Amino acid sequence: KAGVTQTPRYLIKTRGQQVTLSCSPISGHRSVSWYQQTPGQGLQFLFEYFSETQRNKGNFPGRFSGRQFSNSRSEMNVSTLELGDSALYLCASTLTYAVSYNEQFFGPGTRLTVL
Amino acid sequence: TQLLEQSPQFLSIQEGENLTVYCNSSSVFSSLQWYRQEPGEGPVLLVTVVTGGEVKKLKRLTFQFGDARKDSSLHITAAQPGDTGLYLCAGVPTGTASKLTFGTGTRLQVTL
Repeated sequence: KAGVTQTPRYLIKTRGQQVTLSCSPISGHRSVSWYQQTPGQGLQFLFEYFSETQRNKGNFPGRFSGRQFSNSRSEMNVSTLELGDSALYLCASTLTYAVSYNEQFFGPGTRLTVL
Repeated sequence: TQLLEQSPQFLSIQEGENLTVYCNSSSVFSSLQWYRQEPGEGPVLLVTVVTGGEVKKLKRLTFQFGDARKDSSLHITAAQPGDTGLYLCAGVPTGTASKLTFGTGTRLQVTL
């Protein structure tokens, strides 16, 4: 079974631009979560989607948005990029939307550099 | 303030040594997980502990969940260079729905 795939793996943008990152979950997994990882803040939760609906959202500004398609693939978008948005963006998939605990399978991430 | 604090932040040891990484919180968690992340890759799940006081062993790795479900530890026996990586604990606080919170991370380097 193929793992979580993320595209692109590396991206360089300039301030003010916008970017779209893509995530394909493990086949059969219906929940997708996005995280931002930086050296200073560690791994921080952005949002989670299940059945094309956002179920949870972290404490990020509205410039960060996402969506999920009927095939469970997900995209996240960052508009008006700032230098501080430089990070590794990780996508994780789970089988379903679980309340008790959540075994997540991560993709390799997209390394975004904002110049 | 981080919900899950890990200690130590950095650890550099020689092959064959033992080590323990701690993950502490003032909040109660319905479960805790441990991940290892290598450079350029996403975190990989090592174990999930669910019951207070639970101990799980994975070869040379021993994981423990505190009785009150507020803390956890990871003990590695006879560390090997292949154990090098970033170790992350993560959990879902009770009363929240499916929002995984990660610890601050422990970067381990094992040298020959």
